[in-house]
Amino acid sequence: ETGVTQSPTHLIKTRGQQVTLRCSSQSGHNTVSWYQQALGQGPQFIFQYYREEENGRGNFPPRFSGLQFPNYSSELNVNALELDDSALYLCASSMTTGGGETQYFGPGTRLLVL
Amino acid sequence: AQSVAQPEDQVNVAEGNPLTVKCTYSVSGNPYLFWYVQYPNRGLQFLLKYITGDNLVKGSYGFEAEFNKSQTSFHLKKPSALVSDSALYFCAVRVSGAGSYQLTFGKGTKLSVIP
Repeated sequence: ETGVTQSPTHLIKTRGQQVTLRCSSQSGHNTVSWYQQALGQGPQFIFQYYREEENGRGNFPPRFSGLQFPNYSSELNVNALELDDSALYLCASSMTTGGGETQYFGPGTRLLVL
Repeated sequence: AQSVAQPEDQVNVAEGNPLTVKCTYSVSGNPYLFWYVQYPNRGLQFLLKYITGDNLVKGSYGFEAEFNKSQTSFHLKKPSALVSDSALYFCAVRVSGAGSYQLTFGKGTKLSVIP
C-alpha cells in the first residue's frame, strides 16, 4: 500500500448536486494530483496542487476545483454534477524535486451520478 | 502535447511464458516514462520508471521495461508470467523540465495469464 488514502470509497449523487472528495497524501510528500478515470479508459489529469497552490490544470471546466491544506492533504470539489462525471477519481501524491518523481496513487473514490 | 499509445487492448499469455505489453509515446522533449498496474476496484500501483541512464529498467515483481528512443517505445516485459500478473496495465509519460507536472496515460492493456 502507498499510504495515500481517499474518502469516501463510493458515492452516489444526482445531477446538479455538488460533491467533495478528500485525499491524504503519503507522509513526506508535498504535491497532490487528481485524475478522473472513466470506465474503460486511462486516468485523465484534472489538476495538481503544490504547497497549497494550483500547479497545473488539465482540460476540465472550472466547476472542478480543489484545495490543498498545510498538511498537504487535498480536496476535489465538483459543482453542478453531470452524468458524465461518473467515474473513479484518483488522488496521487509525490515529492516535487524537479526531477522524475513518482506519483503514488490512492485507492480512488467511485462516483456515480444519477 | 504529449500522448501515449497502447496498441493492444488485451494480451493473453500462458503461465510461465514471457510477456510483453507494448507502449509508444510522443512528447516534445525528453520523456519520463512510467508503468502502473491496476487490479479490479483498486487504484494504480507503481511498477517502474525510466528517467535517464540505462535503457533497461527493472521494477517490482520481476517486471522490466526497455526505453527505445529511436522507436519512441517503452515496452513492459517479464520473463515468466504468473496468473497473479493478470491485471490492467497503464503506460504513462511526462515531459522532463521545469513546470512539467502532468502524467498522460494510455488507455490500458488487459493482461490475462492463463494457467
